[in-house]
Amino acid sequence: GENVEQHPSTLSVQEGDSAVIKCTYSDSASNYFPWYKQELGKRPQLIIDIRSNVGEKKDQRIAVTLNKTAKHFSLHITETQPEDSAVYFCAAKTRSYSGAGSYQLTFGKGTKLSVIP
Amino acid sequence: DTAVSQTPKYLVTQMGNDKSIKCEQNLGHDTMYWYKQDSKKFLKIMFSYNNKELIINETVPNRFSPKSPDKAHLNLHINSLELGDSAVYFCASSQDGGTVTYEQFFGPGTRLTVL
Repeated sequence: GENVEQHPSTLSVQEGDSAVIKCTYSDSASNYFPWYKQELGKRPQLIIDIRSNVGEKKDQRIAVTLNKTAKHFSLHITETQPEDSAVYFCAAKTRSYSGAGSYQLTFGKGTKLSVIP
Repeated sequence: DTAVSQTPKYLVTQMGNDKSIKCEQNLGHDTMYWYKQDSKKFLKIMFSYNNKELIINETVPNRFSPKSPDKAHLNLHINSLELGDSAVYFCASSQDGGTVTYEQFFGPGTRLTVL
């Protein structure tokens, strides 16, 4: 099936520093790339997403960049705070092999971000 | 005013039993999903229902059967539970269809433990 690779699997940063998480995907038809944050014991929640018609999107301290040619996208968090500590998942809309024209979100394996006060 | 809700939150059961997890969304979305998150936190799609029709079934054993009585509900029934079924199961929904994709909203999860 289609693949989404995510790195690193764990990331520790000092409070105030930046954090970068990178993902690559294999399906050339992918056109939607969301990022989810999952706090311990909670549900995944969307923090930002990007579509293939733009290269960058920002929302306050969070930004996502997309390079369609290289098939990779990244999450950037600036001025990190302890409450940013969580597991972050990238995802890509990929073709499903279960039926013609059907799609699914394929998730990366997650990055556990720890922000040290 | 919960958008996507699941019951139960915790489920502890013996191997071989049959159990169900219920999911409801009040967002008016067309598509609902079931995901499995294992102990390593991998999130994997199991099923997707669009307007009560199954559109994805990703190599899930047929012991798992999704049932959608209407577009606001997607229940998951599991027969003959095995140890490897222990995981957190998330329901999700989105206003989706065709080539345009919207945010998926997740339920709070059901932690299933098979003893």
